Amino acid sequence: TQLLEQSPQFLSIQEGENLTVYCNSSSVFSSLQWYRQEPGEGPVLLVTVVTGGEVKKLKRLTFQFGDARKDSSLHITAAQPGDTGLYLCAGGWIGNFNKFYFGSGTKLNVKP
Amino acid sequence: DTAVSQTPKYLVTQMGNDKSIKCEQNLGHDTMYWYKQDSKKFLKIMFSYNNKELIINETVPNRFSPKSPDKAHLNLHINSLELGDSAVYFCASSHEVNTIYFGEGSWLTVV
Repeated sequence: TQLLEQSPQFLSIQEGENLTVYCNSSSVFSSLQWYRQEPGEGPVLLVTVVTGGEVKKLKRLTFQFGDARKDSSLHITAAQPGDTGLYLCAGGWIGNFNKFYFGSGTKLNVKP
Repeated sequence: DTAVSQTPKYLVTQMGNDKSIKCEQNLGHDTMYWYKQDSKKFLKIMFSYNNKELIINETVPNRFSPKSPDKAHLNLHINSLELGDSAVYFCASSHEVNTIYFGEGSWLTVV
């Protein structure tokens, strides 16, 4: 049983389409991060959300933290082939010595 | 300049051997980690050190022994390697609870 469940596990779409990736947990987090990992590389931080209900935008990416701080979503508008990669969410707790748990990952493929 | 660097990037070795992976961060962070990513891409924390002291050990076999000579370095030594140890091992560091910086990974293959 994983602490953070992501859905969908795989997503293959055409360039220009919109998509949403979900990250859900039964635990409450102090903060939640989203990372993108490309083949042969380590995960790279995209965003951190810390306040329940918080929405952050990064160009065509919109991140939302659930009101109860148990879940998050990542929405990509007009996906491009450069968005292809593995998207990981990670939850952490203040005072827990910076311990982060990662979700199961969503593998996105954007076809030109 | 690489913030978190780990070596080697690729390692192929036989069962039963002992191997080490080195990690260094130049970010001035207090906390360093080792994560393991399996074939299904699931990232799981193995160890965490804060100012050279072990603070997290996630039920990792005793064959895995981390060593932190100073807060900028966290090395991972693995004894008696097994086939199931084949994975990608990521070193990471953080200063605040909200941000982790990862190295590029070390691909370990045990044959």
